[in-house]
Amino acid sequence: EAEVAQSPRYKITEKSQAVAFWCDPISGHATLYWYRQILGQGPELLVQFQDESVVDDSQLPKDRFSAERLKGVDSTLKIQPAELGDSAMYLCASCLGRRSDTQYFGPGTRLTVL
Amino acid sequence: SQQGEEDPQALSIQEGENATMNCSYKTSINNLQWYRQNSGRGLVHLILIRSNEREKHSGRLRVTLDTSKKSSSLLITASRAADTASYFCATEKTGANNLFFGTGTRLTVIP
Repeated sequence: EAEVAQSPRYKITEKSQAVAFWCDPISGHATLYWYRQILGQGPELLVQFQDESVVDDSQLPKDRFSAERLKGVDSTLKIQPAELGDSAMYLCASCLGRRSDTQYFGPGTRLTVL
Repeated sequence: SQQGEEDPQALSIQEGENATMNCSYKTSINNLQWYRQNSGRGLVHLILIRSNEREKHSGRLRVTLDTSKKSSSLLITASRAADTASYFCATEKTGANNLFFGTGTRLTVIP
């Protein structure tokens, strides 16, 4: 069964360093989402791509976060510089169509900022 | 900000019992979905119910939707230890094409 791939699974970094997360959605899925999930809370959307275009990045802290999906396939989320408050699980999800029907989630990247 | 609120925040039951979780939301929606998350893992889609539907079943899961009260419930029948997880409702607001997740219910099923 096809799955969403994410790497790394765990990342420990010091504040002010740069970190990057990678996501490979299910083949053929046009829509890709990056979420941040703080421990004990639900996921919150950071950015949504439709193919290679950003559809919604209204909740993305653009002073330090950036995301790209250059060829409309895999995607990278970057944080520079990382802050203590960025410690969280970063989840990637993909969806076949343009609407929010079933989303398929990757295993996530657990980020710890020291 | 999160759209939904699950109730209760935590639930502990014996294996074989039924578990009911509730979700309330604030604005009109296109659909409501339930997801499960095992500790430290990604979310798994369980069921989707559209705004014009009132009830839906999938195996041991039963979901209801009351748009007049802006609420939904998830019933898991004959619970198993493997059902231990966090359960989230997520709504697609009318006019939007992404999901807003609730705060989750932590379910523990005791063998």
